[in-house]
Amino acid sequence: AQTVTQSQPEMSVQEAETVTLSCTYDTSENNYYLFWYKQPPSRQMILVIRQEAYKQQNATENRFSVNFQKAAKSFSLKISDSQLGDTAMYFCAFIIQGAQKLVFGQGTRLTINP
Amino acid sequence: DAGVIQSPRHEVTEMGQEVTLRCKPISGHDYLFWYRQTMMRGLELLIYFNNNVPIDDSGMPEDRFSAKMPNASFSTLKIQPSEPRDSAVYFCASSFYRASTDTQYFGPGTRLTVL
Repeated sequence: AQTVTQSQPEMSVQEAETVTLSCTYDTSENNYYLFWYKQPPSRQMILVIRQEAYKQQNATENRFSVNFQKAAKSFSLKISDSQLGDTAMYFCAFIIQGAQKLVFGQGTRLTINP
Repeated sequence: DAGVIQSPRHEVTEMGQEVTLRCKPISGHDYLFWYRQTMMRGLELLIYFNNNVPIDDSGMPEDRFSAKMPNASFSTLKIQPSEPRDSAVYFCASSFYRASTDTQYFGPGTRLTVL
């Protein structure tokens, strides 16, 4: 079975700090994609970043970057220079290529304090 | 381009009533997904369509739930009769298979409350 585990239910940091959210997953497949979605209080699910499993280079989107360790099946999200607007639930997810079914973790509630 | 559009954003109804949730996917996308989010169960995939055809409805909880996609730009999720345990946020998402990234884009969700 495909599973995603986010071991940190809640995190809290000060504005401008760097924070890393953890995610591990389990699959026997070799071709898949990994995602981080953000869900602010407005509840909209917003794509933050994605990573193709066949790429060794870690994806980066402005202040957001990932540390993808395929052998360890780990996919952490780093947020640099955190801002108040980063306060949200963050969901890690993956999808087997062509399978169409996203598998989500339970989420990490991140609070950025002023 | 507009994102995925869902309506209504909020729905409050009484037990036993019929509820219809609506979704317009991103233009050109060929996959459409319906999810349900609750505190207890997190995000669950209910059903998905490819080119308007239902492919996998194994996540639909009961026969009270039904979904249709009459054309490429419109889908509905219907609950009849509704029950309090159906209270949740329902998301619609769409993706474009030939983009080869399997990225799903979500709508803003419909918060359903069944009294």
